Amino acid sequence: NAGVTQTPKFRILKIGQSMTLQCTQDMNHNYMYWYRQDPGMGLKLIYYSVGAGITDKGEVPNGYNVSRSTTEDFPLRLELAAPSQTSVYFCASSYSSNWPFFGQGTRLTVV
Amino acid sequence: RKEVEQDPGPFNVPEGATVAFNCTYSNSASQSFFWYRQDCRKEPKLLMSVYSSGNEDGRFTAQLNRASQYISLLIRDSKLSDSATYLCVVIPIQGAQKLVFGQGTRLTINP
Repeated sequence: NAGVTQTPKFRILKIGQSMTLQCTQDMNHNYMYWYRQDPGMGLKLIYYSVGAGITDKGEVPNGYNVSRSTTEDFPLRLELAAPSQTSVYFCASSYSSNWPFFGQGTRLTVV
Repeated sequence: RKEVEQDPGPFNVPEGATVAFNCTYSNSASQSFFWYRQDCRKEPKLLMSVYSSGNEDGRFTAQLNRASQYISLLIRDSKLSDSATYLCVVIPIQGAQKLVFGQGTRLTINP
């Protein structure tokens, strides 16, 4: 099992560009999450999904969009990138009320 | 008051020492608790779940105090490899989609 796979691992974007961070899991988990982690800070929830076709906002959703067309995939879309979106992005998945399993992260820099 | 609070540290202790840190939570109806470990520039990984009766895994002991609303992590005979950031995670009664991370406690074990 690969677990939670995120691509790309690193990316540099220019202000105003857009991109999609990919996340896929092969554990048949129903819950999936996107977090961002700024240097020296904790994890902040951007969006989450409790199943295919269902998504909801977390603590810091502005500037991002998600979709969940399948159980396995949960891409995060950044529209009009801003320097404030420079961060490390983690995707995670879990069974319902269980502990989440994380992907290796995507380091994004917006310049 | 933050939902989940941790002393950010850093804690610097000599190898072989015992170190403990706490995590307080504000929602008395919280249902599940976990400790995660995060190495520098890596994803968080589950260290252990925290049960009402307390639990032990080798040199690590986790305890839950519902009356005072905190969980604790004790590390005995600390090793250099224990150096990391330790994150507490709380799942509230509303479910795992609302889980909350503490900001983490940074621990450095010195030779």
